[in-house]
Order: sequence, then structure tokens, then C-alpha cells
Amino acid sequence: ETGVTQSPTHLIKTRGQQVTLRCSSQSGHNTVSWYQQALGQGPQFIFQYYREEENGRGNFPPRFSGLQFPNYSSELNVNALELDDSALYLCASSLFQGALNTEAFFGQGTRLTVV
Amino acid sequence: DAKTTQPPSMDCAEGRAANLPCNHSTISGNEYVYWYRQIHSQGPQYIIHGLKNNETNEMASLIITEDRKSSTLILPHATLRDTAVYYCIVRDGWWDGGTSYGKLTFGQGTILTVHP
Repeated sequence: ETGVTQSPTHLIKTRGQQVTLRCSSQSGHNTVSWYQQALGQGPQFIFQYYREEENGRGNFPPRFSGLQFPNYSSELNVNALELDDSALYLCASSLFQGALNTEAFFGQGTRLTVV
Repeated sequence: DAKTTQPPSMDCAEGRAANLPCNHSTISGNEYVYWYRQIHSQGPQYIIHGLKNNETNEMASLIITEDRKSSTLILPHATLRDTAVYYCIVRDGWWDGGTSYGKLTFGQGTILTVHP
């Protein structure tokens, strides 16, 4: 167990709908990253939040957005869902201490299916 | 793009050491080598990381060559539960407040199958 929890575990949505996924960080961690993992592929970096601001983003369109809250928990929002958004969405938390990145710990993921 | 190259698959007999190689010839001075593994549809599990020295923890050992262009993850006594996809990742260890923020760039990984 990593202490990173994600909800829900599974979700089915219709094309064009919006979805919100949630993540609670490991205690003591102040940074949250989100990843998308399509079937048979490695996880792809979506974005990272630190001090409630996005401080890094991968190659994902603006309809992928996020929030980080004062307790360091986070949400991933995806608007106008497309069939290709079907994937396992992973949240990872880590600690920025000074300028040092610590190792990132992942949650179990949310399996999103878009029909 | 991932900065690492790994064999797509490997086999290992239960109880034997599993040695998983990784090439990272373009690694820069402040980049660490990280290893994660992912067991079927679960979240990736952190194993170990290192900068230039060899590292060991309760799960594995990491051997990094002197020129840092390659490394080997060693599972000393593989069990059936070690069957997983193993990812070798080069990651910025330091955040410069700009574009370096320590993201993990996953490649395809190595599928390790441990058989009885």
C-alpha cells in the first residue's frame, strides 16, 4: 500500500460527457502528477501540480485540466470525452523538498471506459 | 520520448536471480535512474533509484555502470509474484523551477515472467 488513493476505481461514461477523477496524496507529500495509460502502453504524463498550481504538462489538450487543494489532494477533469480517452488514469504523489524530487508513489488507478 | 532502452521480455526461474538490463546512453549529470514495476492493471510500484552509486534495498539491487550509460536491476531470488512489467526511467532529480519538474517518462518496459 502506497497511501495514495484514487476514486472511483471504475467508471463508464458516454462520448461528449465530462468526468472528474479524484486522488488523495500520501501523507507528507506536496506534489501530485497524473498519468494516462492506454491498454498495452506505458503510462503517459498528463500534468503535475505543486502548491495548487500546474507546474508541468505533457502532450494533452486543454480539455484535460486539474486542481490541487490545500490538503494536497487533487482532481483530474476531462471535458468532451472521446472514445480514445478510455484508459487507466493514474495519480502519483511525491515530495518537493528544497529542490529535490523524491520518489513518486502511485495509486491503483481509475479505469475509465468511454462508450 | 523515453530515454531508456530495455529488452521487451525476459524469463527467469523461480528462486533464481533476475537481472534486468537498461541502456540510458544520453543520461545527463543530474538525472537519476528509477525502476518501477507494474503488475497487471495495478498502479506502478516504486522499486529503487540511484544516481551513480550502486543501491540496495529490501526489494532489489541497482547496479549502475561507471559511465552511467547503463544499469541492471537485480531481483536476488525471484518469485512468481515478481512477474510484472519492469520500467527503467531516467528522471530529473532536481527541480530548477522551470521546465525540469521530475516527470516520469515511461517506455515499453520489460515483461518479466517468473516460471516454476
